Amino acid sequence: EVLLVESGGELVQPGGSLRLSCVASGFTFGSYEMNWVRQTPGKGLEWVSAISSQSSIKYYADSVKDRFTISRDNAKDSLFLQMDSLRVDDTAIYYCVKGYMVRAFFENWGQGTLVTVSS
Amino acid sequence: QSALTQPPSASGSPGQSVSISCTGTSNDVGRFNYVSWFQQHPGKAPKLLIYDVTKRPSGVPDRFSGSKSGNTASLTVSGLQAEDDADYYCISYAGAKNFVVFGGGTKLTVL
Repeated sequence: EVLLVESGGELVQPGGSLRLSCVASGFTFGSYEMNWVRQTPGKGLEWVSAISSQSSIKYYADSVKDRFTISRDNAKDSLFLQMDSLRVDDTAIYYCVKGYMVRAFFENWGQGTLVTVSS
Repeated sequence: QSALTQPPSASGSPGQSVSISCTGTSNDVGRFNYVSWFQQHPGKAPKLLIYDVTKRPSGVPDRFSGSKSGNTASLTVSGLQAEDDADYYCISYAGAKNFVVFGGGTKLTVL
């Protein structure tokens, strides 16, 4: 069974930084592209970033480009999202998602971790 | 404002069929056969129901089906059951500039 467990979400002030983590199990992590997708009550679902299986290709939504950095450690079956210069509108539940962005194929989702940006 | 347009709500009685539309443009839904649909119950993560417009992952009942015509994709739920009461989202690949775009979601109520 595929299991994705996110952590790292918390309350942070505008302009602050946060690092989200996702630990994967139940599949060969290093063989799959991984993504971060976020959800807010007001804006719904929004794809944030994707990383290829060997980290050679990274994609970002315009809304987070130059502020967020996606990375992975295949030896530890882990995915990360470094979030800098956080803004109030980054407040959301962040999901770790296994799948292929170029096919809009988001096969498995974690339970999500809540990031709240507020003063 | 979401890039793909879905009706905010839909409803049907148990056993009936209901369809949910997802309207995009010639740059996303109309151009690529990469449309997926997700089901989300309150407090839970989204679950993949349909991908590549018409394909179902293993374990998804065949009561759920997908289709596309022009710039509009549709999800049809046949033989409605109480557990189908949930939010439904569509998503489409939109090319190398916009990557993926989501619909705003449809709240399906089983009466």
